[in-house]
Amino acid sequence: AQSVTQPDARVTVSEGASLQLRCKYSYSATPYLFWYVQYPRQGLQLLLKYYSGDPVVQGVNGFEAEFSKSNSSFHLRKASVHWSDSAVYFCAVSMNNNNRIFFGDGTQLVVKP
Amino acid sequence: EAAVTQSPRNKVTVTGGNVTLSCRQTNSHNYMYWYRQDTGHGLRLIHYSYGAGNLQIGDVPDGYKATRTTQEDFFLLLELASPSQTSLYFCASSDAPGGQNTLYFGAGTRLSVL
Repeated sequence: AQSVTQPDARVTVSEGASLQLRCKYSYSATPYLFWYVQYPRQGLQLLLKYYSGDPVVQGVNGFEAEFSKSNSSFHLRKASVHWSDSAVYFCAVSMNNNNRIFFGDGTQLVVKP
Repeated sequence: EAAVTQSPRNKVTVTGGNVTLSCRQTNSHNYMYWYRQDTGHGLRLIHYSYGAGNLQIGDVPDGYKATRTTQEDFFLLLELASPSQTSLYFCASSDAPGGQNTLYFGAGTRLSVL
């Protein structure tokens, strides 16, 4: 079965520092890959998604993610975080032959001023 | 912009109680989903639908019923609520199968079963 692992439940960084949130998936083929963000008291919003092409995909608010087939990973990055980036970030995967999206457990990002 | 509205935002009920969570989307999307979010489990799919009158079983359906009355409206029913159903519930919609397309989420309903 498909699974998504976000190994870090909580990440704390200082404002202005760079960020990497990790995501690994377990599936033999290349799935559709997503990063969603959940701000306090809100629903999830899409940051970016990937299926094919350039392994580095750009998203909103300066976020990007890099797909690595050899590592079965889809890590999220940002060069310089802002306090408003504090939120919970979810990695998600899906295969193109079904309706299911499987979410990781989420990583809570805390940005210190 | 896509809009998904959930009601109520908060609900408290007692064990054995009857609860209905409502979701309305105004994006003309065909697909609608109910998820629950629990600490340590991420989001888990309860039920979904690809049109009025259609219902598909998700990954954690036990104890839940759902009904899609129109393209816009999708309801989640807990007929005998239990404390294990205390959770944050999200509704989402998409214009095509969710596996390939963006999900648009509502703000969530926090349910407490005492």
